Amino acid sequence: EVQLVQSGAEVKKPGESLKISCKGPIDSFDNYWIAWVRQMPGKGLEWMGIIYPRDSDTRYSPSFQGQVTISVDKSIGTAYLQWSSLKASDTAMYYCARSLSVITEKPFDSWGQGTPVSVSS
Amino acid sequence: QSVLTQPPSASGTPGQRVTISCSGSSSNIGSKTMHWYQQLPGTAPKLLIYNNDQRPSGVPDRFSGSKSGTSASLAISGLQSEDEADYYCAAWGDTRNVLYVFGTGTKVTVL
Repeated sequence: EVQLVQSGAEVKKPGESLKISCKGPIDSFDNYWIAWVRQMPGKGLEWMGIIYPRDSDTRYSPSFQGQVTISVDKSIGTAYLQWSSLKASDTAMYYCARSLSVITEKPFDSWGQGTPVSVSS
Repeated sequence: QSVLTQPPSASGTPGQRVTISCSGSSSNIGSKTMHWYQQLPGTAPKLLIYNNDQRPSGVPDRFSGSKSGTSASLAISGLQSEDEADYYCAAWGDTRNVLYVFGTGTKVTVL
Protein backbone atom coordinates (compact mmCIF):
# COMPACT_ATOMS: atom_id res chain seq x y z
CA GLU A 1 0.00 0.00 0.00
CA VAL A 2 1.26 3.47 -0.89
CA GLN A 3 2.35 5.38 2.16
CA LEU A 4 1.68 9.05 2.67
CA VAL A 5 3.68 10.26 5.66
CA GLN A 6 2.70 13.50 7.34
CA SER A 7 4.69 15.81 9.55
CA GLY A 8 4.28 15.75 13.31
CA ALA A 9 1.96 17.42 15.77
CA GLU A 10 2.01 21.21 16.02
CA VAL A 11 1.16 23.51 18.92
CA LYS A 12 0.85 27.16 17.91
CA LYS A 13 -0.48 30.49 19.11
CA PRO A 14 -3.13 32.55 17.30
CA GLY A 15 -1.58 34.73 14.62
CA GLU A 16 1.37 32.44 14.01
CA SER A 17 2.10 30.87 10.65
CA LEU A 18 2.34 27.16 9.97
CA LYS A 19 3.23 24.79 7.14
CA ILE A 20 2.56 21.05 7.45
CA SER A 21 3.70 18.41 5.00
CA CYS A 22 2.68 15.16 3.35
CA LYS A 23 5.36 13.01 1.71
CA GLY A 24 4.66 10.29 -0.84
CA PRO A 25 6.73 8.02 -3.09
CA ILE A 26 8.65 10.20 -5.55
CA ASP A 27 8.41 7.81 -8.51
CA SER A 28 4.60 8.10 -8.70
CA PHE A 29 4.02 11.36 -6.90
CA ASP A 30 3.05 13.47 -9.91
CA ASN A 31 0.60 10.87 -11.22
CA TYR A 32 -1.86 11.54 -8.40
CA TRP A 33 -3.91 14.37 -6.99
CA ILE A 34 -3.15 15.15 -3.33
CA ALA A 35 -5.96 16.54 -1.19
CA TRP A 36 -6.15 17.93 2.32
CA VAL A 37 -9.01 17.06 4.67
CA ARG A 38 -9.85 18.72 8.00
CA GLN A 39 -11.43 17.00 10.97
CA MET A 40 -12.24 19.26 13.88
CA PRO A 41 -12.46 17.65 17.33
CA GLY A 42 -15.44 15.31 17.48
CA LYS A 43 -16.62 16.33 14.01
CA GLY A 44 -16.79 14.92 10.50
CA LEU A 45 -14.49 15.10 7.50
CA GLU A 46 -14.24 18.34 5.50
CA TRP A 47 -12.56 18.46 2.10
CA MET A 48 -10.31 21.52 1.94
CA GLY A 49 -8.67 21.44 -1.45
CA ILE A 50 -6.42 19.56 -3.83
CA ILE A 51 -3.27 19.87 -5.93
CA TYR A 52 -1.96 18.01 -8.96
CA PRO A 53 1.83 17.87 -8.53
CA ARG A 54 2.55 17.47 -12.25
CA ASP A 55 1.41 21.00 -13.07
CA SER A 56 0.57 22.40 -9.60
CA ASP A 57 -3.09 22.84 -10.59
CA THR A 58 -4.67 23.74 -7.24
CA ARG A 59 -8.35 23.97 -6.31
CA TYR A 60 -9.98 24.92 -3.03
CA SER A 61 -13.31 24.23 -1.43
CA PRO A 62 -15.16 27.57 -1.21
CA SER A 63 -15.10 27.20 2.59
CA PHE A 64 -11.30 27.23 2.64
CA GLN A 65 -10.47 29.52 -0.29
CA GLY A 66 -8.27 32.33 1.01
CA GLN A 67 -7.85 30.67 4.41
CA VAL A 68 -5.08 28.23 3.54
CA THR A 69 -2.52 27.63 0.80
CA ILE A 70 -1.79 24.26 -0.77
CA SER A 71 1.52 23.77 -2.52
CA VAL A 72 3.85 21.03 -3.66
CA ASP A 73 7.51 20.26 -4.25
CA LYS A 74 7.44 17.31 -6.60
CA SER A 75 11.23 17.00 -6.58
CA ILE A 76 10.96 15.65 -3.05
CA GLY A 77 7.46 14.14 -3.36
CA THR A 78 5.93 16.46 -0.78
CA ALA A 79 2.70 18.42 -0.59
CA TYR A 80 2.10 21.22 1.89
CA LEU A 81 -0.76 22.94 3.67
CA GLN A 82 -0.02 26.32 5.15
CA TRP A 83 -1.59 29.12 7.12
CA SER A 84 -0.29 32.68 7.33
CA SER A 85 -2.16 33.57 10.50
CA LEU A 86 -3.66 30.78 12.59
CA LYS A 87 -6.87 31.06 14.56
CA ALA A 88 -8.08 28.97 17.47
CA SER A 89 -10.73 27.57 15.14
CA ASP A 90 -7.96 25.98 13.03
CA THR A 91 -7.46 23.45 15.82
CA ALA A 92 -8.08 20.11 14.14
CA MET A 93 -6.59 16.97 12.70
CA TYR A 94 -5.46 17.41 9.11
CA TYR A 95 -5.15 14.50 6.71
CA CYS A 96 -3.65 14.30 3.26
CA ALA A 97 -5.05 11.76 0.80
CA ARG A 98 -4.34 10.63 -2.75
CA SER A 99 -6.61 10.17 -5.77
CA LEU A 100 -5.53 8.82 -9.15
CA SER A 101 -7.99 10.86 -11.19
CA VAL A 102 -10.64 13.50 -10.76
CA ILE A 103 -12.25 13.33 -14.19
CA THR A 104 -12.93 9.59 -13.81
CA GLU A 105 -14.09 10.13 -10.20
CA LYS A 106 -11.47 7.99 -8.51
CA PRO A 107 -11.65 7.78 -4.71
CA PHE A 108 -8.98 8.68 -2.18
CA ASP A 109 -7.32 5.31 -1.83
CA SER A 110 -4.37 6.20 0.37
CA TRP A 111 -4.31 8.49 3.39
CA GLY A 112 -1.65 9.99 5.61
CA GLN A 113 -1.68 9.29 9.32
CA GLY A 114 -2.86 12.81 10.15
CA THR A 115 -1.22 15.90 11.64
CA PRO A 116 -2.87 17.29 14.78
CA VAL A 117 -2.74 21.07 14.98
CA SER A 118 -3.56 22.86 18.22
CA VAL A 119 -3.90 26.65 18.28
CA SER A 120 -4.27 28.27 21.66
CA SER A 121 -3.07 31.37 23.45
CA GLN B 1 -22.33 22.15 5.38
CA SER B 2 -22.40 18.81 3.57
CA VAL B 3 -24.95 18.18 0.84
CA LEU B 4 -24.76 14.44 1.54
CA THR B 5 -26.89 13.56 4.55
CA GLN B 6 -26.38 10.48 6.71
CA PRO B 7 -28.05 9.39 9.93
CA PRO B 8 -25.81 10.34 12.86
CA SER B 9 -25.86 6.88 14.35
CA ALA B 10 -26.68 3.23 13.73
CA SER B 11 -26.27 0.16 15.88
CA GLY B 12 -26.62 -3.59 15.92
CA THR B 13 -25.62 -6.69 17.78
CA PRO B 14 -22.85 -9.00 16.53
CA GLY B 15 -24.00 -10.93 13.47
CA GLN B 16 -26.77 -8.51 12.55
CA ARG B 17 -27.04 -6.55 9.32
CA VAL B 18 -26.74 -2.78 9.56
CA THR B 19 -27.52 -0.37 6.73
CA ILE B 20 -26.39 3.26 6.50
CA SER B 21 -28.08 5.63 4.11
CA CYS B 22 -26.63 8.61 2.27
CA SER B 23 -29.10 11.06 0.80
CA GLY B 24 -28.23 13.64 -1.82
CA SER B 25 -29.61 15.16 -4.98
CA SER B 26 -29.59 14.68 -8.74
CA SER B 27 -26.49 16.90 -9.00
CA ASN B 28 -24.39 14.75 -6.67
CA ILE B 29 -25.45 11.17 -5.91
CA GLY B 30 -27.74 11.01 -8.89
CA SER B 31 -24.96 11.68 -11.39
CA LYS B 32 -21.80 10.62 -9.57
CA THR B 33 -20.12 7.45 -8.39
CA MET B 34 -20.21 7.02 -4.64
CA HIS B 35 -17.40 6.18 -2.28
CA TRP B 36 -17.51 5.06 1.35
CA TYR B 37 -14.82 5.46 3.99
CA GLN B 38 -14.41 3.81 7.38
CA GLN B 39 -12.72 5.65 10.22
CA LEU B 40 -11.85 3.48 13.20
CA PRO B 41 -11.39 5.34 16.50
CA GLY B 42 -8.19 7.38 16.55
CA THR B 43 -7.14 6.44 13.03
CA ALA B 44 -7.14 7.93 9.55
CA PRO B 45 -10.06 7.21 7.20
CA LYS B 46 -9.77 4.16 4.98
CA LEU B 47 -11.42 3.55 1.62
CA LEU B 48 -14.14 0.93 2.01
CA ILE B 49 -16.22 1.11 -1.19
CA TYR B 50 -15.63 2.86 -4.53
CA ASN B 51 -17.58 3.08 -7.80
CA ASN B 52 -20.82 2.61 -5.80
CA ASP B 53 -20.29 -1.06 -5.02
CA GLN B 54 -16.64 -2.07 -5.50
CA ARG B 55 -14.45 -3.19 -2.62
CA PRO B 56 -10.70 -2.50 -2.59
CA SER B 57 -8.47 -5.48 -2.04
CA GLY B 58 -8.53 -6.52 1.60
CA VAL B 59 -11.98 -5.18 2.48
CA PRO B 60 -14.18 -8.02 3.77
CA ASP B 61 -17.16 -8.99 1.61
CA ARG B 62 -19.54 -8.33 4.50
CA PHE B 63 -19.30 -4.68 3.41
CA SER B 64 -21.41 -3.81 0.37
CA GLY B 65 -22.48 -0.61 -1.33
CA SER B 66 -25.39 0.30 -3.56
CA LYS B 67 -26.92 3.33 -5.19
CA SER B 68 -30.39 4.09 -6.41
CA GLY B 69 -31.47 7.46 -7.73
CA THR B 70 -30.35 10.14 -5.29
CA SER B 71 -29.59 7.78 -2.41
CA ALA B 72 -26.72 5.46 -1.65
CA SER B 73 -26.37 2.80 1.02
CA LEU B 74 -23.66 0.92 2.84
CA ALA B 75 -24.58 -2.44 4.33
CA ILE B 76 -22.59 -4.35 6.89
CA SER B 77 -23.65 -8.00 7.06
CA GLY B 78 -22.58 -10.16 9.96
CA LEU B 79 -21.66 -7.17 12.11
CA GLN B 80 -18.47 -7.62 14.11
CA SER B 81 -17.09 -5.70 17.09
CA GLU B 82 -14.22 -4.37 14.97
CA ASP B 83 -16.75 -2.68 12.67
CA GLU B 84 -17.48 -0.09 15.35
CA ALA B 85 -16.38 3.07 13.59
CA ASP B 86 -17.52 6.20 11.79
CA TYR B 87 -18.60 5.76 8.19
CA TYR B 88 -18.70 8.50 5.54
CA CYS B 89 -20.20 8.51 2.08
CA ALA B 90 -18.49 10.79 -0.43
CA ALA B 91 -18.45 11.81 -4.08
CA TRP B 92 -16.88 14.19 -6.53
CA GLY B 93 -19.50 16.88 -6.31
CA ASP B 94 -18.06 18.84 -9.20
CA THR B 95 -15.31 17.33 -11.32
CA ARG B 96 -15.02 20.43 -13.52
CA ASN B 97 -14.11 22.58 -10.54
CA VAL B 98 -12.48 19.67 -8.74
CA LEU B 99 -14.59 19.64 -5.60
CA TYR B 100 -15.16 16.60 -3.39
CA VAL B 101 -17.88 16.23 -0.81
CA PHE B 102 -18.09 14.04 2.29
CA GLY B 103 -21.33 12.99 3.91
CA THR B 104 -22.16 14.03 7.46
CA GLY B 105 -20.95 10.70 8.85
CA THR B 106 -22.57 7.83 10.76
CA LYS B 107 -21.30 6.36 13.98
CA VAL B 108 -21.87 2.59 14.05
CA THR B 109 -22.03 1.03 17.51
CA VAL B 110 -21.85 -2.70 18.09
CA LEU B 111 -24.05 -3.47 21.09
